[in-house]
Amino acid sequence: QVQLVESGGGLVKPGGSLRLSCAASGFTFSDHYMSWIRQAPGKGLEWVSYISSSGSTIYYADSVKGRFTISRDNAKNSLYLQMNSLRGEDTAVYYCARQKSGWANDYWGQGTLVTVSS
Amino acid sequence: QSALTQPASVSGSPGQSITISCTGTSSDVGGYNYVSWYQQHPGKAPKLMIYDVSNRPSGVSNRFSGSKSGNTASLTISGLQAEDEANYYCNSYTSSSTPVVFGGGTKLTVL
Repeated sequence: QVQLVESGGGLVKPGGSLRLSCAASGFTFSDHYMSWIRQAPGKGLEWVSYISSSGSTIYYADSVKGRFTISRDNAKNSLYLQMNSLRGEDTAVYYCARQKSGWANDYWGQGTLVTVSS
Repeated sequence: QSALTQPASVSGSPGQSITISCTGTSSDVGGYNYVSWYQQHPGKAPKLMIYDVSNRPSGVSNRFSGSKSGNTASLTISGLQAEDEANYYCNSYTSSSTPVVFGGGTKLTVL
């Protein structure tokens, strides 16, 4: 069965960096586009970034552009999100999600919490 | 980038039908057939319920249906059940610099 397991979250000071990972299993990872989506505590969902199956096409939300970098390693069935210059408003649960046809996300991980605070 | 507009809350009794709206613009909901709906129970990851406006993933009950008219998409849940109580989010592809936008979410209460 499809499984997505995020890791790498934690407490970081403003201006700091963190790298999130997402381990995928149960499907052919290299065939699928992938996304990161976040949810601040008690708030709604916010789309963060997307990467094509080969990694050649990448999009970011304006709110993270220039600070976050999405990448993937198809040999390791893994998705990554490098987060630099972190701010308080980046505090959220970060989900990795598989892209279905179009722009929908059909499988989601359980999420990893990132807290940015001094 | 403005979020899509959803009602903050809706409610209904078991067995009834409810509809949740998701209003955008011609640059997102109205311009593309890439509207999705997600169900999220507290403390859980979102679950895809509808994609590409009106398509149901396998395993999702046919009590859930989606539609679109102009700049407004809708999620209808018929035969409301207690387990349908959750938060529901719509999202859409958009032609803006941020290619995907979510609605603010709707809390469904089953009375």
